[in-house]
Amino acid sequence: EAGVAQSPRYKIIEKRQSVAFWCNPISGHATLYWYQQILGQGPKLLIQFQNNGVVDDSQLPKDRFSAERLKGVDSTLKIQPAKLEDSAVYLCASSRTRGGTDTQYFGPGTRLTVL
Amino acid sequence: GESVGLHLPTLSVQEGDNSIINCAYSNSASDYFIWYKQESGKGPQFIIDIRSNMDKRQGQRVTVLLNKTVKHLSLQIAATQPGDSAVYFCAETPRGTYKYIFGTGTRLKVLA
Repeated sequence: EAGVAQSPRYKIIEKRQSVAFWCNPISGHATLYWYQQILGQGPKLLIQFQNNGVVDDSQLPKDRFSAERLKGVDSTLKIQPAKLEDSAVYLCASSRTRGGTDTQYFGPGTRLTVL
Repeated sequence: GESVGLHLPTLSVQEGDNSIINCAYSNSASDYFIWYKQESGKGPQFIIDIRSNMDKRQGQRVTVLLNKTVKHLSLQIAATQPGDSAVYFCAETPRGTYKYIFGTGTRLKVLA
């Protein structure tokens, strides 16, 4: 089966600009996650969707970050405006059910550099 | 607070030797633990998992040990190969939640 797809793979922008990342989860997976991974650290959950509803967005900086999964399949994460500290790899993952003990499968990530 | 950490940031082993990667977790209510492998430029790849009602689980060349008394998790890789070179993360799922909390990772270097 095809894995989690993400695009673009790399993005370089200047601070205060906007950027959007796209994710297509594994077919049939109900739950989709966006993580932020700063260099040298483990992934940190930003937002979790169950179908097209938000389950957890407690660590999403809502003043600048937004995400949607309108049809319960693919998802978009947006940053507007970007700050220098947003430089990181943004990982998308999906799992068959709500999560917890259900294995999460990760995409290759989008490496964002904010200048 | 909740945290998952690792004792050693970098581990170097000779090819063919066994590797042991350690992880400490702080939430005694966590009931599910996972190990991921992340190669450069790639997303994390699932290796093995273990539930809190177990203390050992084996996979192909890998074994995960869980010591709930001291809140310690380890990943053992038998006959380490060059392809095992990567950063390894442990993660925990606190009971009643649906999310993974990742540690900061250990880099494994396999020496020829």
